Amino acid sequence: NAGVMQNPRHLVRRRGQEARLRCSPMKGHSHVYWYRQLPEEGLKFMVYLQKENIIDESGMPKERFSAEFPKEGPSILRIQQVVRGDSAAYFCASSPEGSGNTIYFGEGSWLTVV
Amino acid sequence: AQTVTQSQPEMSVQEAETVTLSCTYDTSENNYYLFWYKQPPSRQMILVIRQEAYKQQNATENRFSVNFQKAAKSFSLKISDSQLGDTAMYFCAFSLKGGSEKLVFGKGTKLTVNP
Repeated sequence: NAGVMQNPRHLVRRRGQEARLRCSPMKGHSHVYWYRQLPEEGLKFMVYLQKENIIDESGMPKERFSAEFPKEGPSILRIQQVVRGDSAAYFCASSPEGSGNTIYFGEGSWLTVV
Repeated sequence: AQTVTQSQPEMSVQEAETVTLSCTYDTSENNYYLFWYKQPPSRQMILVIRQEAYKQQNATENRFSVNFQKAAKSFSLKISDSQLGDTAMYFCAFSLKGGSEKLVFGKGTKLTVNP
């Protein structure tokens, strides 16, 4: 059973470009979470999605950031018009229904904005 | 809002010895979960141990155990017989039961195991 798969692992974007990060949850998992880790910091919650629905986006910046988890295909975290401060590791996690709050993380995607 | 505090930015321990990492949290809720995650140099987040707040018994996973003091809102991690592979960042995390399951993380403790 493959774990949570994220790609790309590393992404370099120039200021003003768009970044798209993809996440395929573990097989059988219907809940997806995105977290951001700035250098020397812990992870910060961004958004929680179930298939085709955003359940909690309280940690998402109000502008430039969006997330989706379509019926078919991976979850996508999209950052428009990237700025240097968006440089961070973005972790995706997934869980099945009734997991008792235990979620499983992917290996992260490292975004560098130059 | 819930907060998690790890007061030890860095710690070191000799191989085969025991080390305890501290974590305190703040919440007004009664039903929640607490976690310790390990982030080795590979940067992957690995679940070490999980504690349900309504269970009085401290969780144990092989060499890893916790000291959960609910009244004091304290959740420390003890690593016994430390191994070189335990060198990593350790993050304490909290989530409410029945909520969106989002985790609130502390800032982490960098643990180095010396040979």
